[in-house]
Amino acid sequence: SQTIHQWPATLVQPVGSPLSLECTVEGTSNPNLYWYRQAAGRGLQLLFYSVGIGQISSEVPQNLSASRPQDRQFILSSKKLLLSDSGFYLCAWSRGVNSDTQYFGPGTRLTVL
Amino acid sequence: AQSVTQLGSHVSVSEGALVLLRCNYSSSVPPYLFWYVQYPNQGLQLLLKYTSAATLVKGINGFEAEFKKSETSFHLTKPSAHMSDAAEYFCAVSEGGQAGTALIFGKGTTLSVSS
Repeated sequence: SQTIHQWPATLVQPVGSPLSLECTVEGTSNPNLYWYRQAAGRGLQLLFYSVGIGQISSEVPQNLSASRPQDRQFILSSKKLLLSDSGFYLCAWSRGVNSDTQYFGPGTRLTVL
Repeated sequence: AQSVTQLGSHVSVSEGALVLLRCNYSSSVPPYLFWYVQYPNQGLQLLLKYTSAATLVKGINGFEAEFKKSETSFHLTKPSAHMSDAAEYFCAVSEGGQAGTALIFGKGTTLSVSS
């Protein structure tokens, strides 16, 4: 069966510090991968998605970036965090062509102070 | 462009009462529709999915949803609420069939269940 991991589970960072959140998927190959941010009362906002190694599509301009160095690894980064980056970050995966069910990881709670 | 509207950001029911969470969508092509549930500080869990096979879709935990094209709706129901159903529920739409197609989520509805 497939599993998706995210770490860390919680993170408190000062404004201006860097960020690296990691997501890995087990039990499948060549998944589509997604990063979402969830802020209170605003639902889920898609940040990035990837259909393959090194292929990243950005949905929202911001100071975040994403990378996919391996088939089942997806990393969300920032060089300098802003207060507005606080939120709950969710990674998700889906199968390749013609299947859109997304399966979510447990999330990372980021607080920027 | 696709969009999803969830009517009511907060719904309160008594234990044993009917649960009805409303979702309306907009899509230029036949959509795929989803309901997810999120418990506090956890990821989203798929409740059910509509892919045009049948208009009434049964999901986990006794939930079901009915696709009504004429009303562009995909409301979620459960005949009898349980305390463990208290959570946030998200409706989502996808045009489907394309690699990398993302889901468009509604803003969510928080369900409270009182004893």
